[in-house]
Amino acid sequence: GAVVSQHPSRVICKSGTSVKIECRSLDFQATTMFWYRQFPKQSLMLMATSNEGSKATYEQGVEKDKFLINHASLTLSTLTVTSAHPEDSSFYICSARALGTAYNSPLHFGNGTRLTVT
Amino acid sequence: EDQVTQSPEALRLQEGESSSLNCSYTVSGLRGLFWYRQDPGKGPEFLFTLYSAGEEKEKERLKATLTKKESFLHITAPKPEDSATYLCAVLNTGGFKTIFGAGTRLFVKA
Repeated sequence: GAVVSQHPSRVICKSGTSVKIECRSLDFQATTMFWYRQFPKQSLMLMATSNEGSKATYEQGVEKDKFLINHASLTLSTLTVTSAHPEDSSFYICSARALGTAYNSPLHFGNGTRLTVT
Repeated sequence: EDQVTQSPEALRLQEGESSSLNCSYTVSGLRGLFWYRQDPGKGPEFLFTLYSAGEEKEKERLKATLTKKESFLHITAPKPEDSATYLCAVLNTGGFKTIFGAGTRLFVKA
């Protein structure tokens, strides 16, 4: 149980274009999903907290106009990287906590999206 | 500021050679300490949650322990398939943000 599906797993795009990444909870509902960015050999950095039916909460230093988050349902959140540049190349991972579980229960992660901007 | 530091950065073991990974943390009121396993190119996979000092949890060759300042992940008689990056994370009193360490990359050679 508690499967999170992230799509696509890899994407290559040209500088200036936009890319959308989907995160779905397959067998549970999630009012809150989290988007992380991970650089090689570094920690997961929280970018934003996605709340179903409301605006996302962005971490300090993360541009909300560049990283658009939409959480339209209890099972789907999307991250759109707008006007991507090579410095946006990274590994993006989403996670979710099942609806009805304690706030300090573990997160369930997707398998990540490797974004390469050329 | 809440912080998680993991050591060593990388650990190379022979199959069967037991060892421990360390996670030191500074947090304003611990609400949970988590261990995850991450394989290359994949998302983290949940292993354990520890909530209070003195707590211990085991799963196959892994055992996690917790004190007020650090947690250890003990690996007994590791196998090559245990090779992965092990991540430690903490949840603070606010409860809204899980803070991750940089991880320990474990390599187990047959």
